[in-house]
Amino acid sequence: GENVEQHPSTLSVQEGDSAVIKCTYSDSASNYFPWYKQELGKRPQLIIDIRSNVGEKKDQRIAVTLNKTAKHFSLHITETQPEDSAVYFCAARSYGGSQGNLIFGKGTKLSVKP
Amino acid sequence: NAGVTQTPKFQVLKTGQSMTLQCAQDMNHEYMSWYRQDPGMGLRLIHYSVGAGITDQGEVPNGYNVSRSTTEDFPLRLLSAAPSQTSVYFCASSYSGNSGSYNEQFFGPGTRLTVL
Repeated sequence: GENVEQHPSTLSVQEGDSAVIKCTYSDSASNYFPWYKQELGKRPQLIIDIRSNVGEKKDQRIAVTLNKTAKHFSLHITETQPEDSAVYFCAARSYGGSQGNLIFGKGTKLSVKP
Repeated sequence: NAGVTQTPKFQVLKTGQSMTLQCAQDMNHEYMSWYRQDPGMGLRLIHYSVGAGITDQGEVPNGYNVSRSTTEDFPLRLLSAAPSQTSVYFCASSYSGNSGSYNEQFFGPGTRLTVL
């Protein structure tokens, strides 16, 4: 089945700096890669996603890149703000025998220092 | 729309007790799933359903049962609670989990379960 590795597990940046979180996946058949943000005590919420036929997608300060050959994808946050502090999860949708379930990485705790 | 709702928000059980975590959605989503979230482990899939009457196992199904009698509801049953099941449980739904769909998965607010 699919396996998603996420790095780093914790990331601390100064306000205004950029943050990059990287994920790798194992199943070459996976074709959908969402990123979720989870604030303390709250539910995960989708912030951006990318499909396997696209190499890059951007939404204001957030961008995601996908390298299908290397089987890795990354989240880029520019001009970080204190409200970006949260846990971020990457995921891959695997279509093996699992009907298209999302398999998640273990998360990255991002701290943005004012 | 209320979206995805879960009850209860908090629950404390003793080892060996059974209980049902409730999940409902009012978005007419075919696909529903249950995850557990443990510190440093991310979100792990317990069970999922692609429609009423259809359920299947995820990554960590042992100790849990599910059923899907209606499109709206997807309860998770703990048969005999164990301390290892102490976790935060999230229910999620989307339009479809089938190949070719890229629909956003919406999460419920979660249930924090402690087993003593």
